[in-house]
Amino acid sequence: EDKVVQSPLSLVVHEGDTVTLNCSYEVTNFRSLLWYKQEKKAPTFLFMLTSSGIEKKSGRLSSILDKKELFSILNITATQTGDSAVYLCAVGSSSGSARQLTFGSGTQLTVLP
Amino acid sequence: DSGVTQTPKHLITATGQRVTLRCSPRSGDLSVYWYQQSLDQGLQFLIQYYNGEERAKGNILERFSAQQFPDLHSELNLSSLELGDSALYFCASSPTGISYNSPLHFGNGTRLTVT
Repeated sequence: EDKVVQSPLSLVVHEGDTVTLNCSYEVTNFRSLLWYKQEKKAPTFLFMLTSSGIEKKSGRLSSILDKKELFSILNITATQTGDSAVYLCAVGSSSGSARQLTFGSGTQLTVLP
Repeated sequence: DSGVTQTPKHLITATGQRVTLRCSPRSGDLSVYWYQQSLDQGLQFLIQYYNGEERAKGNILERFSAQQFPDLHSELNLSSLELGDSALYFCASSPTGISYNSPLHFGNGTRLTVT
């Protein structure tokens, strides 16, 4: 069974801090890893990673994938209160007939002013 | 705004009842996915439709069913409701039939409370 584990489960930081969120996975026939940000409602897409070692960057957020060690990290620099959210990691595999995304339980990030 | 529309936003109903959740995908997207999110389970995949046909099934109970109509909107039917069915139900859409090669775009969800 495909498995995605995120750590830490929750994190409280102050504005301006840098945070690193982790996502490790065990899936058959890995195809992609995606990061989503979920505030009160819909998860919103951040990054999609398919190749090892290539950093994706968007403003203060960046992410990288290590397909050998089976993990990804999401970095947020100079955090702001608006970064407070649950960050979800999802892994896509082509194993079996389902070929679906498996989501981790998320990391709850709280940024204090 | 993701472009995915879900109605209703909230639903409160009693055990044993039946409800229908509705989803309109983003313009141009052919796939619709249904997910259930509860506090202790995270996002659980229920079912996917692609261009009107069922494409994949996840952990969907037999009491639950779905369909996708010719205009590509989808409905998720939940029957014989139990307290444990209380959750946030998300619909997501994507342009292709394969979930891992293009991001899913999520609606704002329907919060179902079964009393």
